[in-house]
Amino acid sequence: GQNIDQPTEMTATEGAIVQINCTYQTSGFNGLFWYQQHAGEAPTFLSYNVLDGLEEKGRFSSFLSRSKGYSYLLLKELQMKDSASYLCAVRDGAQWSNYQLIWGAGTKLIIKP
Amino acid sequence: DAGITQSPRHKVTETGTPVTLRCHQTENHRYMYWYRQDPGHGLRLIHYSYGVKDTDKGEVSDGYSVSRSKTEDFLLTLESATSSQTSVYFCAISDGDGGGKLFFGSGTQLSVL
Repeated sequence: GQNIDQPTEMTATEGAIVQINCTYQTSGFNGLFWYQQHAGEAPTFLSYNVLDGLEEKGRFSSFLSRSKGYSYLLLKELQMKDSASYLCAVRDGAQWSNYQLIWGAGTKLIIKP
Repeated sequence: DAGITQSPRHKVTETGTPVTLRCHQTENHRYMYWYRQDPGHGLRLIHYSYGVKDTDKGEVSDGYSVSRSKTEDFLLTLESATSSQTSVYFCAISDGDGGGKLFFGSGTQLSVL
């Protein structure tokens, strides 16, 4: 079957670093995506990994290990505005078609002053 | 920001009534999607479209139908709404690669009483 696991909730302090993990089991793999979703708003794209390794984009970095079925999103220099849910999604090329993503339930990140 | 709008933003309806949600894009993207988002679940795909009059089912399509008569419009219809269809509905669009980097509309909060 398919499954994507993320922690339900995490708390971190403003200015610190936090790592949000995502593990997945899918029958095929064709890329992993991270999205940010503020409460009451739509998800917005953060990052995309298809090869193993680290992708850095400003304060945010995303890592992928395909052999371990594992990814993490690393947020540095946390700001209050980073309080949001972070969604992990895998494009499963073995699914009904190549047009769909399998989504985790999201990790709610709470930033404290 | 991608030009994608959903209407209505909020709707309250009664069990058994038909409901239509509209998604309109100005990006001329080929792919359009309807998702629902419920607490404790990842985003779940209802239906998607890969061109005018080309649509297919997602993982939770029962009780829903869609139509795409123009590139810019993708309609989601609940033929006879049930309380289990109370949810937040998101429309999303993507360009060439058919899924992955999605741009979402602002969502529709639907309550079925």
